[in-house]
Amino acid sequence: DQQVKQNSPSLSVQEGRISILNCDYTNSMFDYFLWYKKYPAEGPTFLISISSIKDKNEDGRFTVFLNKSAKHLSLHIVPSQPGDSAVYFCAAAESGSARQLTFGSGTQLTVLP
Amino acid sequence: KAGVTQTPRYLIKTRGQQVTLSCSPISGHRSVSWYQQTPGQGLQFLFEYFSETQRNKGNFPGRFSGRQFSNSRSEMNVSTLELGDSALYLCASSLQGAGSEKLFFGSGTQLSVL
Repeated sequence: DQQVKQNSPSLSVQEGRISILNCDYTNSMFDYFLWYKKYPAEGPTFLISISSIKDKNEDGRFTVFLNKSAKHLSLHIVPSQPGDSAVYFCAAAESGSARQLTFGSGTQLTVLP
Repeated sequence: KAGVTQTPRYLIKTRGQQVTLSCSPISGHRSVSWYQQTPGQGLQFLFEYFSETQRNKGNFPGRFSGRQFSNSRSEMNVSTLELGDSALYLCASSLQGAGSEKLFFGSGTQLSVL
């Protein structure tokens, strides 16, 4: 039973355009969401997070949107750069409990020059 | 500040053997979590330690175990290795292990079971 789903295994975008990565979750107890980026042979690197009390969080080129009623979040990267090419993981947690992240299966983003 | 350090980087074992992986968290971080990454199952939570105590455990068999030392360093052990245990094992640390903290991951130990 996948509680966090990333339905697009891959996404290709032209440099300078917007990249939109999507994530759905089923567990209504999740109230804290994160995006991680992973390059081959490296551990995931934290990108941006959002608490369920917000519907949007921005950090430079990265914006995460949360739609609680739809149990859906998305990561927008504007403008996309070739260095953004990596696997992006969506993760969710219950903020009131000890640390346990539930990850999605990841989306391979390729930014074409 | 040094990041999360995992050793060894690569490991090859045969079925039935046991293995111990090591993780040194970021200085000052007291929570250490372990995750398994496989192509089929993605990133899955194994367990989390805080102040030498296991606080949370994922859905893995008892062959997977861990511990944390007083300096916050952690080890995980897998006994009676199976082919399906081949995976990238990732360690992550955070200050207190609170649900709203971000995790800092190491580069992982790539385990191959032959």
